[in-house]
Amino acid sequence: QKEVEQNSGPLSVPEGAIASLNCTYSDRGSQSFFWYRQYSGKSPELIMFIYSNGDKEDGRFTAQLNKASQYVSLLIRDSQPSDSATYLCAVSADNFNKFYFGSGTKLNVKP
Amino acid sequence: KAGVTQTPRYLIKTRGQQVTLSCSPISGHRSVSWYQQTPGQGLQFLFEYFSETQRNKGNFPGRFSGRQFSNSRSEMNVSTLELGDSALYLCASSPGSNTEAFFGQGTRLTVV
Repeated sequence: QKEVEQNSGPLSVPEGAIASLNCTYSDRGSQSFFWYRQYSGKSPELIMFIYSNGDKEDGRFTAQLNKASQYVSLLIRDSQPSDSATYLCAVSADNFNKFYFGSGTKLNVKP
Repeated sequence: KAGVTQTPRYLIKTRGQQVTLSCSPISGHRSVSWYQQTPGQGLQFLFEYFSETQRNKGNFPGRFSGRQFSNSRSEMNVSTLELGDSALYLCASSPGSNTEAFFGQGTRLTVV
């Protein structure tokens, strides 16, 4: 059973701070890693994807991947109240579009 | 560019009935995946279709089935509905294999 683990939170950070979200996965053969944001009552929205070890930056978001330690993280700089949502980590371990999702981390950004 | 379109958005069905959900992927995307989201189990993979072929299936009973048409639109069918099938059903569209997936707004199914 391939597992993707996330701390359910809630993670509370003040506005303007850096929010750090973490995810670990069990399958060493995992190839692709994704972060989605889901507002209450809405569908998941893709934020970032990362395939190689290291960091990938996109605006205020940075995804970090460490395959040796089997973890992927998402940093949100200058957090805004509008970033308050549940963040889902997803992992793909084969050449098909079958994603394994973590249970999500709820982020609260306080004004 | 239009996103992923799912219809209907909301559905209420009675136990024992069957239901068909529809998904139109982003233009040019050939892969369509279906997921079930519930508060207790989170997002769980149902199946994936690529160029009308089911390439992968999740751990769901045979009551859950799907298909994809030549224009990449996909349908998902659930027969003999059970109360536990109440969930948000999400369709995701991908341009290729092992690439990012874009979700539709989902169909919220309630079984009473």
